[in-house]
Amino acid sequence: DAGITQSPRYKITETGRQVTLMCHQTWSHSYMFWYRQDLGHGLRLIYYSAAADITDKGEVPDGYVVSRSKTENFPLTLESATRSQTSVYFCASSPGRVGLEFFGPGTRLTVL
Amino acid sequence: KNEVEQSPQNLTAQEGEFITINCSYSVGISALHWLQQHPGGGIVSLFMLSSGKKKHGRLIATINIQEKHSSLHITASHPRDSAVYICAVEGGGADGLTFGKGTHLIIQP
Repeated sequence: DAGITQSPRYKITETGRQVTLMCHQTWSHSYMFWYRQDLGHGLRLIYYSAAADITDKGEVPDGYVVSRSKTENFPLTLESATRSQTSVYFCASSPGRVGLEFFGPGTRLTVL
Repeated sequence: KNEVEQSPQNLTAQEGEFITINCSYSVGISALHWLQQHPGGGIVSLFMLSSGKKKHGRLIATINIQEKHSSLHITASHPRDSAVYICAVEGGGADGLTFGKGTHLIIQP
């Protein structure tokens, strides 16, 4: 099915563990984004990618790593999870730098 | 950094009422987005606009570039309109979208 998917949808992990959140889109959109949503802050950009092998930092990149070896995938890795990274993570894609973004269903991550 | 402010933060109204949600921003932008976040958490893009007005069904979005202000209107509101409405801007020196904190709308039958 066409669209943008995220996995897992829910994840509980412990402080210090590595966690990877997956994002996959079938539209061949050039741009992909990772956001986190926290109460009191709204959505904030973590990283984005303009194309395969091109990534750049957003507003809150510390503690996160991304890669984009294929256009359709944009995984987000927490190398050593901390409690402050408990959040809902949304992946989004867009055909261009300016334009409507299409959001995935989100991943709810809890770090104990 | 662009500051995006939405008002009101919370709004409860009766079915059928005309709803207005406001968004203001501090720095010039290339486009403004309105998004809807359903109670289940999913986010849907409603509008992207850089000038004037757009309409889709019962939803109307307007923007005044000079005043750095946008409004989202819902006519003949319905309980299924209950959601969080989020304003976001692009441009103004930032990468990606800069979001407001959202307006939580409840429409009572």
